[in-house]
Amino acid sequence: DQQVKQNSPSLSVQEGRISILNCDYTNSMFDYFLWYKKYPAEGPTFLISISSIKDKNEDGRFTVFLNKSAKHLSLHIVPSQPGDSAVYFCAASATQGGSEKLVFGKGTKLTVNP
Amino acid sequence: DTGVSQDPRHKITKRGQNVTFRCDPISEHNRLYWYRQTLGQGPEFLTYFQNEAQLEKSRLLSDRFSAERPKGSFSTLEIQRTEQGDSAMYLCASSFGFNEQFFGPGTRLTVL
Repeated sequence: DQQVKQNSPSLSVQEGRISILNCDYTNSMFDYFLWYKKYPAEGPTFLISISSIKDKNEDGRFTVFLNKSAKHLSLHIVPSQPGDSAVYFCAASATQGGSEKLVFGKGTKLTVNP
Repeated sequence: DTGVSQDPRHKITKRGQNVTFRCDPISEHNRLYWYRQTLGQGPEFLTYFQNEAQLEKSRLLSDRFSAERPKGSFSTLEIQRTEQGDSAMYLCASSFGFNEQFFGPGTRLTVL
């Protein structure tokens, strides 16, 4: 069973507009969430994270929102730039449960058009 | 460059052969992780070390797979008697404590 789901395989937006990437999870033990960006033939690059004690975290153009009751998080990129075109992975871990492994979604391919 | 490094970047082998991959984590990181990624999927956890102790292993890590981190620094992942289903990108990551994990560039394995 897939504990972290990214239901949109792809997303296309215009440069300068907002990109919103969504992620749902099923395991209520997850308490730490991360977003990674991946270019072809490279490893994932860490973007931003959020602990379950928060509902929002910002870092420059990137903001992550967490809705624990809905078991949903989203990544907002404003404004989107062509260099943001990549595959974005949502990941989660259950740190209080003693497990440090990250459980990843299947990814969403973002294309930002000039 | 002080990031996570992996060697080799690519490995092509014949079915039945043994292969070994190396990962050098960020120097001050005490935790080291191995993941595997296949086409169209996100990375899947294999195992992780805190210093030299292997603390968790996935069911994906069959008895043909073994990982070591002998001195709490670099780590090796060995696959014995490779099968075509082992073809994947093998990713290494490191972290300090319960913080974000930083990934290396990966080793792409192709089993013919």
